[in-house]
Amino acid sequence: GDSVTQMEGPVTLSEEAFLTINCTYTATGYPSLFWYVQYPGEGLQLLLKATKADDKGSNKGFEATYRKETTSFHLEKGSVQVSDSAVYFCALRDQTGANNLFFGTGTRLTVIP
Amino acid sequence: NAGVTQTPKFQVLKTGQSMTLQCAQDMNHEYMSWYRQDPGMGLRLIHYSVGAGITDQGEVPNGYNVSRSTTEDFPLRLLSAAPSQTSVYFCASSKQITGTTYNEQFFGPGTRLTVL
Repeated sequence: GDSVTQMEGPVTLSEEAFLTINCTYTATGYPSLFWYVQYPGEGLQLLLKATKADDKGSNKGFEATYRKETTSFHLEKGSVQVSDSAVYFCALRDQTGANNLFFGTGTRLTVIP
Repeated sequence: NAGVTQTPKFQVLKTGQSMTLQCAQDMNHEYMSWYRQDPGMGLRLIHYSVGAGITDQGEVPNGYNVSRSTTEDFPLRLLSAAPSQTSVYFCASSKQITGTTYNEQFFGPGTRLTVL
């Protein structure tokens, strides 16, 4: 079945450091891919998405490119801020016709001043 | 708009007790779902609904019941709580998909449940 494998955490970075969180997927066909973010004490929010191969999703300085050759959707940011501290989830949309998501295990990011 | 609301925020149960987690949305979304979040496992889909009167099972439905009598509400019932159901529960909603278009899911703040 469909699944998402996400880089283990936690990740601790200094402010202005470069961030990469790895995500690979297994699925038949080419599912839509997403990154969701969960700030402390809150629910998940959509950060960015890509719906087809070679698409680049971007938002708030974060980027991820849908790579079908490597079945990957790595999240990157050039310069992290303390306010980026959160848990990041990679996800794919199932292809059954409903709007369901398969999530990775989540990666906790802590940015220190 | 309040968005997606969940009650209660926290709950402690004893093994064997029953309870209902409430979820409501005011965005007139057709699609609603329940996920549980466990350490090291991400979020897993419990049940979902694509409209009033229609529900279906997700990845981990055992021990949970749902119903969808109105568009706004989608309660999750634990019939006989077990320690394995200790988790954080999230409700989500979205517009119904059309074709291959994905509609963003909006998540509630979660309910933290502990079963002793």
